[in-house]
Amino acid sequence: LAKTTQPISMDSYEGQEVNITCSHNNIATNDYITWYQQFPSQGPRFIIQGYKTKVTNEVASLFIPADRKSSTLSLPRVSLSDTAVYYCLVGFQGGGFKTIFGAGTRLFVKA
Amino acid sequence: DSGVTQTPKHLITATGQRVTLRCSPRSGDLSVYWYQQSLDQGLQFLIQYYNGEERAKGNILERFSAQQFPDLHSELNLSSLELGDSALYFCASSVVDRTDGYTFGSGTRLTVV
Repeated sequence: LAKTTQPISMDSYEGQEVNITCSHNNIATNDYITWYQQFPSQGPRFIIQGYKTKVTNEVASLFIPADRKSSTLSLPRVSLSDTAVYYCLVGFQGGGFKTIFGAGTRLFVKA
Repeated sequence: DSGVTQTPKHLITATGQRVTLRCSPRSGDLSVYWYQQSLDQGLQFLIQYYNGEERAKGNILERFSAQQFPDLHSELNLSSLELGDSALYFCASSVVDRTDGYTFGSGTRLTVV
């Protein structure tokens, strides 16, 4: 399983764009990159997933360079309610995959 | 409501005791995953079941065991409890092994005193 490295914590202000980068140097050819969000005392919630280039949904964008050794989750115009822990996961779709969550990035949005 | 139901929500028990945590997956989901989250720690994968069979094992202690029943609900059994077992235990479910399809329950908070 590909190991991921993320910043432990980040601070931001309301209305700013936040970019959280995840390193995954030993990503395999059939691995996808997935981000989850977790609020205190709640289970994680799926945000976005991608394989290469750029993926965008109503919540976030995911940028993946050509070598796929890193990825960046972009949260546009964050609000106080975006304060949470964000997890980057790398793994393949299909049988036998074990979802391993690292320590995640604790994002704190200030007014 | 995510569709994944975990019971009980809170559990307080003494060291050395045994408890059972229950998880009902989202309708149609065949895979169930168990995770442990200690205070200010990341999520530790414990074990996965798919359609009644064990599929993958993570950092699960020998004192812990799990099973998935024919109706697809799952139980996590924790025995000889220690203070360090105090944590949030999450269950997640998915149709198949798709990383974008995990739906988590709200967790069971276990306190061992």
